[in-house]
Amino acid sequence: GENVEQHPSTLSVQEGDSAVIKCTYSDSASNYFPWYKQELGKGPQLIIDIRSNVGEKKDQRIAVTLNKTAKHFSLHITETQPEDSAVYFCAARVGGGADGLTFGKGTHLIIQP
Amino acid sequence: ETGVTQTPRHLVMGMTNKKSLKCEQHLGHNAMYWYKQSAKKPLELMFVYNFKEQTENNSVPSRFSPECPNSSHLFLHLHTLQPEDSALYLCASSQEVGAAGEQYFGPGTRLTVT
Repeated sequence: GENVEQHPSTLSVQEGDSAVIKCTYSDSASNYFPWYKQELGKGPQLIIDIRSNVGEKKDQRIAVTLNKTAKHFSLHITETQPEDSAVYFCAARVGGGADGLTFGKGTHLIIQP
Repeated sequence: ETGVTQTPRHLVMGMTNKKSLKCEQHLGHNAMYWYKQSAKKPLELMFVYNFKEQTENNSVPSRFSPECPNSSHLFLHLHTLQPEDSALYLCASSQEVGAAGEQYFGPGTRLTVT
């Protein structure tokens, strides 16, 4: 089955700086890669996603890049703000299957004021 | 609010108890999921339902028993649990299984087994 590795497990950046979180996946048939943000006491919430026919997608301060050859994808957050502090999860879904998502272990992002 | 609600939000139960977790989605979706979230581990997919039919059981022990009476409701029946079953149990829904798209998560039920 699919295996998703996520790094780093904790990331601390100064407010205003950029943050990058990286994930790799094992199944070349995966075709959908969402990123979720989870705040304390809440369920994960989708912040951006990318499909395998696209190499990059941007939404305001958030961007995701996908390298299908290397089987890795990354989340980029620019101009970080205190409200960006949360746990971020990457995930992958194998195309054509009936499966749910396979998640990474999560990255605790801390924005230092 | 994501349109997915879960009750109760917190549950403490002994190993001999029987309890149920409830999930309801108000999004008109046809697929519903149960995930387990433990400390320092990835979210683990437990069960998948598509149009009320179970399409996946991810090798979950039989002490967890799901029920999906209709596309809007999903239950997880619990009995004779172990302390290692303590975790956050998350419900999610999506338009339908197999169609790549967003899964919407509920806030979860924090379960503690004593």
